[in-house]
Amino acid sequence: EVQLVETGGGLIQPGGSLRLSCAASGFTVSSNYMSWVRQAPGKGLEWVSVIHSGGRTYYADSVKGRFTISRDNSKNTLYLQMNSLRVEDTAVYYCVRAPSSGIFDYWGQGTLVTVSS
Amino acid sequence: EIVMTQSPATLSVSPGERATLSCRASQSVGSNLAWYQQKPGQAPRLLIYGASTRATGIPARFSGSGSGTEFTLSISSLQSEDFAAYYCQQYNNWPPEYTFGQGTKLEIK
Repeated sequence: EVQLVETGGGLIQPGGSLRLSCAASGFTVSSNYMSWVRQAPGKGLEWVSVIHSGGRTYYADSVKGRFTISRDNSKNTLYLQMNSLRVEDTAVYYCVRAPSSGIFDYWGQGTLVTVSS
Repeated sequence: EIVMTQSPATLSVSPGERATLSCRASQSVGSNLAWYQQKPGQAPRLLIYGASTRATGIPARFSGSGSGTEFTLSISSLQSEDFAAYYCQQYNNWPPEYTFGQGTKLEIK
């Protein structure tokens, strides 16, 4: 059974840093495209970043230069390092599997990041 | 950036009736279009990809159509569990810059 479990969310001040983790089971992270998608409170969905099976990474313009997606193949875990956080980064962050291109077939339960002073 | 526009924002339909949701892309995305369902407090669920292919386990009452810039999600004979928010998403461009519509809330009439 495919499972994705995100951890690492919480309350952080503007300008701070946070690292989200996504532990995967039931499949191999490094053999898939993996993405982060976020949802601000009461708002729609916004794609954040993707890491391809070959290791190439891409980002939304809104987070480029501040966020870094990575993975640890030995732990079958996906990460999102978030630096220089802004109030507008406040959202539930979902870890998502994309077995091909941008089709998001499995989602984690999400972890809430709140950026506030 | 490809902008996805969904209509209507809210759709009120009675159980047992048919619902039709629309999604328009600001430029052609071919058939690289997916639909997701999201219930309150839950993660989204993939319904349709490739504009018209149902994901694993999705009931046949859900169907998708369209290509290019105009897409439709139809739900025949609405069940109580179908009342939720629905999002379309394009995955056509390269480098990847996946974009979602703003969503349609399907509510009970």
